Amino acid sequence: DAKTTQPPSMDCAEGRAANLPCNHSTISGNEYVYWYRQIHSQGPQYIIHGLKNNETNEMASLIITEDRKSSTLILPHATLRDTAVYYCIPRGGSNYKLTFGKGTLLTVNP
Amino acid sequence: NAGVTQTPKFQVLKTGQSMTLQCAQDMNHEYMSWYRQDPGMGLRLIHYSVGAGITDQGEVPNGYNVSRSTTEDFPLRLLSAAPSQTSVYFCASSYPGAGGLQYFGPGTRLTVT
Repeated sequence: DAKTTQPPSMDCAEGRAANLPCNHSTISGNEYVYWYRQIHSQGPQYIIHGLKNNETNEMASLIITEDRKSSTLILPHATLRDTAVYYCIPRGGSNYKLTFGKGTLLTVNP
Repeated sequence: NAGVTQTPKFQVLKTGQSMTLQCAQDMNHEYMSWYRQDPGMGLRLIHYSVGAGITDQGEVPNGYNVSRSTTEDFPLRLLSAAPSQTSVYFCASSYPGAGGLQYFGPGTRLTVT
């Protein structure tokens, strides 16, 4: 699996967009980028995933650079409930395992 | 649907005791797995199963046993608890074709003294 680099922590004001970066420069051609989050002490929750096109769902948007070496998760209007650890996880097609790094602790401030 | 459920929520064991962490899902998912999360760390895979009767080891399997006799249940057994097994344990389920989409339970917080 590709290695990832995420900032250990970020702050965001409530109502503003939160942009969480992830570097995955060793990602291979068949690996999707998955994003999960973990609100304090709860089980991880799937957010979104993509291969090379930008993706959007009801929770977030995912921007993947053209060379696929990095991506950004965007929470368009962050709320206090979005305070969580966010994990960026490259994952290949047949590999069942999810490899969680330390992620980014996003703190949304009032 | 209840999704993925885990019992108990909290457990304290003494060194050397054994116990079983329960995990159940009502989504008819073929894939199930167990992860542990130590303080300040990401999750690490212990064991996983791709269907009833089929299990395999993950990244940190030592000290744990699993079996999968039904699609719904995937219990994790600690044979002889050690303080190094103090952790939060998460069970997850998924299905063929889901890719990296997994559904996680709420976790069991285990302390071994």
